[in-house]
Amino acid sequence: GENVEQHPSTLSVQEGDSAVIKCTYSDSASNYFPWYKQELGKRPQLIIDIRSNVGEKKDQRIAVTLNKTAKHFSLHITETQPEDSAVYFCAASRGGGGADGLTFGKGTHLIIQP
Amino acid sequence: NAGVTQTPKFQVLKTGQSMTLQCAQDMNHNSMYWYRQDPGMGLRLIYYSASEGTTDKGEVPNGYNVSRLNKREFSLRLESAAPSQTSVYFCASSEARQTNTIYFGEGSWLTVV
Repeated sequence: GENVEQHPSTLSVQEGDSAVIKCTYSDSASNYFPWYKQELGKRPQLIIDIRSNVGEKKDQRIAVTLNKTAKHFSLHITETQPEDSAVYFCAASRGGGGADGLTFGKGTHLIIQP
Repeated sequence: NAGVTQTPKFQVLKTGQSMTLQCAQDMNHNSMYWYRQDPGMGLRLIYYSASEGTTDKGEVPNGYNVSRLNKREFSLRLESAAPSQTSVYFCASSEARQTNTIYFGEGSWLTVV
């Protein structure tokens, strides 16, 4: 089955700096890569996703890049703000839909230092 | 539009007791899932249901059973709870045909003593 590795487990950055979280996956058939943000005591919520037919996607201060050859993808957050503090999960899925579930990385605790 | 609703939100069980976590979605989604979340382990898939009438094991199915009651509802049952099942449980759903986006419920905090 799919295996997703996520690094680092904890990331501390100064407010206003950029943050980068990296994930690798093992199943070359995976074609959907979402990122979820989970605030303390809350549910994970989708913040951005990318499909294997594109290499990069941006949404305001966040962006995701995908390298299919190397089987890795990354989340980039620019101009970090205190509300960006949370746990971020990457995930990977194969097939045409979510019917076989997502395999998640173990999460990155992002800390924004004032 | 409530999205994905799961109950109960908090539960304490004694070892050996049984209980059922209920989940319902009002987004007309085909696929539903149960995940558990433990510190340092991320989100692990317990069972999923690709469509009404089907269920399949995920990564960590031992000790659990599920029922896809209809298109809206997907329940998770612990027949004989063990302390190792202390966790936060998330139900989720996705449309699955046109989009892979998974939407989570608010979570159920379960403690087995």
